[in-house]
Amino acid sequence: DAGVIQSPRHEVTEMGQEVTLRCKPISGHDYLFWYRQTMMRGLELLIYFNNNVPIDDSGMPEDRFSAKMPNASFSTLKIQPSEPRDSAVYFCASSRTSGGITDTQYFGPGTRLTVL
Amino acid sequence: AQSVTQPDIHITVSEGASLELRCNYSYGATPYLFWYVQSPGQGLQLLLKYFSGDTLVQGIKGFEAEFKRSQSSFNLRKPSVHWSDAAEYFCAVGRRDSNYQLIWGAGTKLIIKP
Repeated sequence: DAGVIQSPRHEVTEMGQEVTLRCKPISGHDYLFWYRQTMMRGLELLIYFNNNVPIDDSGMPEDRFSAKMPNASFSTLKIQPSEPRDSAVYFCASSRTSGGITDTQYFGPGTRLTVL
Repeated sequence: AQSVTQPDIHITVSEGASLELRCNYSYGATPYLFWYVQSPGQGLQLLLKYFSGDTLVQGIKGFEAEFKRSQSSFNLRKPSVHWSDAAEYFCAVGRRDSNYQLIWGAGTKLIIKP
């Protein structure tokens, strides 16, 4: 089985540019999570979806960040405009419903974003 | 507020030696507990998890963890480490009253001496 797929793996952009990160969850999984990892703040949950619907976006840092899940096999995280402090590794994870938080979250390899 | 503490930022262990990574949590009820491992340049992989029942949990790659309610701890152990265990290890706590909200520790980086 293919795991969670993220693209690109690395992204270097200049301040002010739009950045779009992509994620394909594991087939059959109905929860999708976006995380950000930095040295200063560790691993932070940004937003998660259930059946393509955003459930909790309280972790999204600012209005510059937006996430969509148009179908069960694809999600995007967009930053517009990007700023140097957005530099981080962004992870996507997915899991399958079995009644609660006991579901294992499967992580993608991450996208390392550098904003100059 | 719920929190997870991993008191050791780095730990250095000789290959073949035993390992214990500490995790303490703050939560009013019995939480769900997880250990994940992150190899360099990789995503996080679940090592093991605890929900209820036997407080000693076996995981992949020869790891185990013990839930101690009295100490609010969920320490990760391995009797003999291999060089391939060099990675960063994260403890996470899941709130029973908030599905899918995991609270993450800051991580412990494991360094293996040859």
